[in-house]
Amino acid sequence: QLQLQESGPGLVRPSETLSLTCTLSGASISSGPYYWGWIRQPPGKGLEWVGTIYYSGSTYYNPSLKSRLTMSIDTSKNQFSLSLRSVTATDTAVYHCARLGPGMAAAFDHWGQGALVTVSS
Amino acid sequence: DIQMTQSPSSLSASVGDRVTITCRASQSIFSYLNWYQQKPGKAPRLLIYAASSLQSGVPSRFSGSGSGTDFTLTISSLQPEDFATYYCQQSYNTLMYTFGQGTKLQNK
Repeated sequence: QLQLQESGPGLVRPSETLSLTCTLSGASISSGPYYWGWIRQPPGKGLEWVGTIYYSGSTYYNPSLKSRLTMSIDTSKNQFSLSLRSVTATDTAVYHCARLGPGMAAAFDHWGQGALVTVSS
Repeated sequence: DIQMTQSPSSLSASVGDRVTITCRASQSIFSYLNWYQQKPGKAPRLLIYAASSLQSGVPSRFSGSGSGTDFTLTISSLQPEDFATYYCQQSYNTLMYTFGQGTKLQNK
């Protein structure tokens, strides 16, 4: 049974970098054909796709975040990570990691429970 | 970007009711539309993928239909555990996934 677990600091200061890691259990991140993604949700608001990464390292970012975002994957640790630079209060959200199937009929079918990250001084 | 618009934004219903939620895309997305359920403090749960395919383990009272720009999620007989917020999401543009704003289903 695939499980995903987010980890990282819950509080980040404005202008600094938000870093989160998603650790998989029950499946290999490099087994394919799945992609791995981040989706965030500001408190009381809807869902926003952040970005997606394939085990080969190919990345796809939300254009509105692209200039500040880096995603990476560590197959040896069965993890993938997110780094969002120069954060502001608008980046405060619950960040979920999730598995995405391949192709256009893809859906986010397994989710982590989410990690609340607050941007505040 | 493909904009996804759900209606209504909130809905009050009773156990046993038939409930329909609508999602409209700003351009044709063929059948590349997914539906999720989210309860407070929990991660979203995939209900329907590719507009009408039921995800494994999801009760058959949930169904999806539509293609092009107009889609619906139907709950045939509302159960107490179905009160939640529902989101649609398009997967046609794989370079920019977008979600609807959500529909909150409340107990009347």
